Amino acid sequence: DSGVTQTPKHLITATGQRVTLRCSPRSGDLSVYWYQQSLDQGLQFLIQYYNGEERAKGNILERFSAQQFPDLHSELNLSSLELGDSALYFCASNLGANSPLHFGNGTRLTVT
Amino acid sequence: GESVGLHLPTLSVQEGDNSIINCAYSNSASDYFIWYKQESGKGPQFIIDIRSNMDKRQGQRVTVLLNKTVKHLSLQIAATQPGDSAVYFCAEISYNTDKLIFGTGTRLQVFP
Repeated sequence: DSGVTQTPKHLITATGQRVTLRCSPRSGDLSVYWYQQSLDQGLQFLIQYYNGEERAKGNILERFSAQQFPDLHSELNLSSLELGDSALYFCASNLGANSPLHFGNGTRLTVT
Repeated sequence: GESVGLHLPTLSVQEGDNSIINCAYSNSASDYFIWYKQESGKGPQFIIDIRSNMDKRQGQRVTVLLNKTVKHLSLQIAATQPGDSAVYFCAEISYNTDKLIFGTGTRLQVFP
């Protein structure tokens, strides 16, 4: 168990809808990262937060947004969903720079 | 753009043999590297890391080698076991981006 908790585990929704994915980092970790993994693909970095502030941005679509709250949990919001957004979304956390990321077990999003 | 790539999508080895998974990275500013193991339905699991001031690091049954001259990283697994079957990702971080970038992954299959 990595200590990173993601909810929900599965999510099925229709095109055009909006969903929110939630992540609770490991106790003591200040950074939260979001990744997208499509079928048989690698992990694409979306965005990173550190202690409530956005730290780095990857290939995140404008339809997607995220935030990290004062209690350090994070939410990833996906809107105007398209079929191609179907993927696994992983959250990871670490203590800070140059320490390994620890991943949750992901949220599987299916857009129909 | 930035990329960390794996040359072999699938590696099949016999139980008890040693496995070597290779990775090439393109960002010469990368200074921290991590290997992850991902089993079906789970998030990536940290295996071992190495910093750019080292060229070798050993863990339990695993060794990571770093060749900065040719920007190459490898993971060696000794006495491969059926439980080692998974997809393995290398990932890199550079101090100037603070983003963990993953390669596309290599599937390791262990047969009896």
